[in-house]
Amino acid sequence: AQSVTQLGSHVSVSEGALVLLRCNYSSSVPPYLFWYVQYPNQGLQLLLKYTSAATLVKGINGFEAEFKKSETSFHLTKPSAHMSDAAEYFCAVSDFRGNEKLTFGTGTRLTIIP
Amino acid sequence: DTAVSQTPKYLVTQMGNDKSIKCEQNLGHDTMYWYKQDSKKFLKIMFSYNNKELIINETVPNRFSPKSPDKAHLNLHINSLELGDSAVYFCASSQVRADTQYFGPGTRLTVL
Repeated sequence: AQSVTQLGSHVSVSEGALVLLRCNYSSSVPPYLFWYVQYPNQGLQLLLKYTSAATLVKGINGFEAEFKKSETSFHLTKPSAHMSDAAEYFCAVSDFRGNEKLTFGTGTRLTIIP
Repeated sequence: DTAVSQTPKYLVTQMGNDKSIKCEQNLGHDTMYWYKQDSKKFLKIMFSYNNKELIINETVPNRFSPKSPDKAHLNLHINSLELGDSAVYFCASSQVRADTQYFGPGTRLTVL
């Protein structure tokens, strides 16, 4: 069975500071990994995904994530936080062995301090 | 044009009622999904259809019944609504079974 753990249900950073949202996964086969963002009262939007190509993945809005197999991690980073980054962020895993079920983490709420 | 749309956006109803949520995607995708997001924001898949065929059916009460009249539509019918059904329900779609899922805006269901 696959699973995702997001460390920190709430993260606060100052505007302009580094954003680091942590995600660790568990999967018995090479995983596909995703980060989604959810703005208030909206659906989920894909930020980026890892599908066994380059381990450093760049996404939209200046976000990137690095797949580290040895650490079973897929942390999300952004060098400089912007007020518009305030949202809920979800890490998700899938094994895509014919089962495309996405298993989500519990989410991290990112607050940006002016 | 909205890629994945859901109706209604808000649904308030009494316990015991039967209600439906509709989902349509205009992306030409083959696979569609229903997810439930609870009050703590936890997202869990409920169902998945591929070309109108049910391929994922998680442990969901049989009061929930998905229906896919064609591959662009996946509706969710809920019988005998209970307080615990209150949540936000998201529809999603993907091109093939190993690809990015695109989510609708959600339907907030409140059972009184």
